[in-house]
Amino acid sequence: KAGVTQTPRYLIKTRGQQVTLSCSPISGHRSVSWYQQTPGQGLQFLFEYFSETQRNKGNFPGRFSGRQFSNSRSEMNVSTLELGDSALYLCASSLRDRVGYGYTFGSGTRLTVV
Amino acid sequence: DQQVKQNSPSLSVQEGRISILNCDYTNSMFDYFLWYKKYPAEGPTFLISISSIKDKNEDGRFTVFLNKSAKHLSLHIVPSQPGDSAVYFCAATGTASKLTFGTGTRLQVTL
Repeated sequence: KAGVTQTPRYLIKTRGQQVTLSCSPISGHRSVSWYQQTPGQGLQFLFEYFSETQRNKGNFPGRFSGRQFSNSRSEMNVSTLELGDSALYLCASSLRDRVGYGYTFGSGTRLTVV
Repeated sequence: DQQVKQNSPSLSVQEGRISILNCDYTNSMFDYFLWYKKYPAEGPTFLISISSIKDKNEDGRFTVFLNKSAKHLSLHIVPSQPGDSAVYFCAATGTASKLTFGTGTRLQVTL
């Protein structure tokens, strides 16, 4: 079966712009989470959605937002991009409503802010 | 506040020998622990997990040990193979619907 699909794979944006990243979870998975990976900080939790509702949010500024659609696909948006937003953004989906069980990651979107 | 710590950023082991990766945590509310393996330009891949009600879980060449009193877990890989070379992340979760990750340990298995 298809895995977690993230688009685009690579993105270059200019400081001040906004960006939207997309994640299609494994079919049947209702939980989608987003993580940011940077060399110094490792993987940091952004937010998690289950059945279109945000269940948890990490310690990121309000410029980071997300949503989930009725088909479980999710998008995250970053407005007013800063150089420090350059990172690998990873999406993970899960069948059950308890994170960690069958948690599958996508390959990520590499965002570079110049 | 780093609640999950992997104090060794890198580890080099000879092929066939045992690799031991360590992880410490501070939050006593964590009750489920996982190890992920990550290759460059790919997302993390789930390896093995352990519930806080157990102290050991085995899956083939991979064994995870949990010492709750010390808030310490370790991943043992025996025997180590060149294909095991990757970055390994320890992660933990509790009642909140999120994973808290360590900063990773880069394992290099040499011939």
